[in-house]
Amino acid sequence: DIQLTQSPSFLSASVGDRVTIACRASQGLSTNLAWYQQKPGKAPQLLISSVSILQSGVPSRFSGTGSGTEFTLTITSLQPEDFATYYCQQFYNDPRTFGPGTQVDIK
Amino acid sequence: QVQLQESGPGLVKPSETLSLTCSVSGDSVTSPDYRWSWIRQTPEKGLECIGNMYYRGSTVYSPSFKSRVTISVDVSKNTFSLKLNSVTAADTGVYYCVRGGEWFDPWGQGILVTVSS
Repeated sequence: DIQLTQSPSFLSASVGDRVTIACRASQGLSTNLAWYQQKPGKAPQLLISSVSILQSGVPSRFSGTGSGTEFTLTITSLQPEDFATYYCQQFYNDPRTFGPGTQVDIK
Repeated sequence: QVQLQESGPGLVKPSETLSLTCSVSGDSVTSPDYRWSWIRQTPEKGLECIGNMYYRGSTVYSPSFKSRVTISVDVSKNTFSLKLNSVTAADTGVYYCVRGGEWFDPWGQGILVTVSS
């Protein structure tokens, strides 16, 4: 299975901050990586597919970059509704796997 | 708007079979565009893909579950189902049904299944 690691595991930030979350894969994924947001008690929601394709309805302050084994999710100006846990997920091969998550909390 | 809803027992005894059904509205499980998946979330292992199916009958199971999982479809009811045999406490978690086999969207709200005697 492809292993995904995320850093940091936890970050504390303020409204308006720029936030960057990294996802590293144990092997190359090309552009087969997605990002999700999960709020407490809710199911994950797809934010970005194929590294950088923003899903309909997702604010433009979210963006994704990367290729191969290194990927990044950036939130340019953190809003109160963005405090959540974020996961990366690879679909390069089966089984699909997720990163362990990055919790973004209010400073 | 596509919606998925999980249903089934919230409590299963050890060694028994966990059975869940996902009702789909706003799309068809016979759609040639999508696979339909089951994903679970546990405190120990986080988010794990259990497997997925395509309406023509093909299934893909994660090796971690392959020996004890079955995913099937009921076209007449527009549902798909999960059966996980020989459960243990380690199978306790929130189970989600999801559209997709590459990225996953949308997700059902999830159902908490506890394995306990």
